[in-house]
Amino acid sequence: KQEVTQIPAALSVPEGENLVLNCSFTDSAIYNLQWFRQDPGKGLTSLLLIQSSQREQTSGRLNASLDKSSGRSTLYIAASQPGDSATYLCAVDGGTSYGKLTFGQGTILTVHP
Amino acid sequence: DAGVIQSPRHEVTEMGQEVTLRCKPISGHNSLFWYRQTMMRGLELLIYFNNNVPIDDSGMPEDRFSAKMPNASFSTLKIQPSEPRDSAVYFCASKTVPNTEAFFGQGTRLTVV
Repeated sequence: KQEVTQIPAALSVPEGENLVLNCSFTDSAIYNLQWFRQDPGKGLTSLLLIQSSQREQTSGRLNASLDKSSGRSTLYIAASQPGDSATYLCAVDGGTSYGKLTFGQGTILTVHP
Repeated sequence: DAGVIQSPRHEVTEMGQEVTLRCKPISGHNSLFWYRQTMMRGLELLIYFNNNVPIDDSGMPEDRFSAKMPNASFSTLKIQPSEPRDSAVYFCASKTVPNTEAFFGQGTRLTVV
């Protein structure tokens, strides 16, 4: 059974800092890994999808890397802003043909001015 | 496309009542997922459909929960009878498998009193 772990559970940083969120998974037979953002009381917004054959994916100030063999992914946020404050979730597509996603518990990020 | 649409956004009901949650997936997506989110357990997959067919309902907690997808543009999750421990946020998501992004609705916040 796929298990996904995110570290740290919470992170508080001053504005402008570069930061790294970590995600690990137990079964490396995945199709892809997706990073989401969730604001309080809202749904999940997709940030980045990284395929199992890719090493990294970039969108603006966000960069996600994937090391499938070691079961790890990182989300790098450059020059953090207060608007980045949210919960960040990683989800692994478990390798079935039906796209079943298994989620980590998330990292709560607070960026203070 | 307007994205994944869920209704209602909020539902408050008394214990023992029937509750029906609704979801309209993104047009053209062939897979639909129902998730439940609580503080204690995070995001849990309840059931998912592929081409309107239920593929895996092993996450459905009890027989009180049932889900249907009568056509490609509509799905329901029903709880009968509801109990206070069913209180949670229920999310619907859709995607085109394999290997594409999943998109989530805004969720239904269910409170059973």
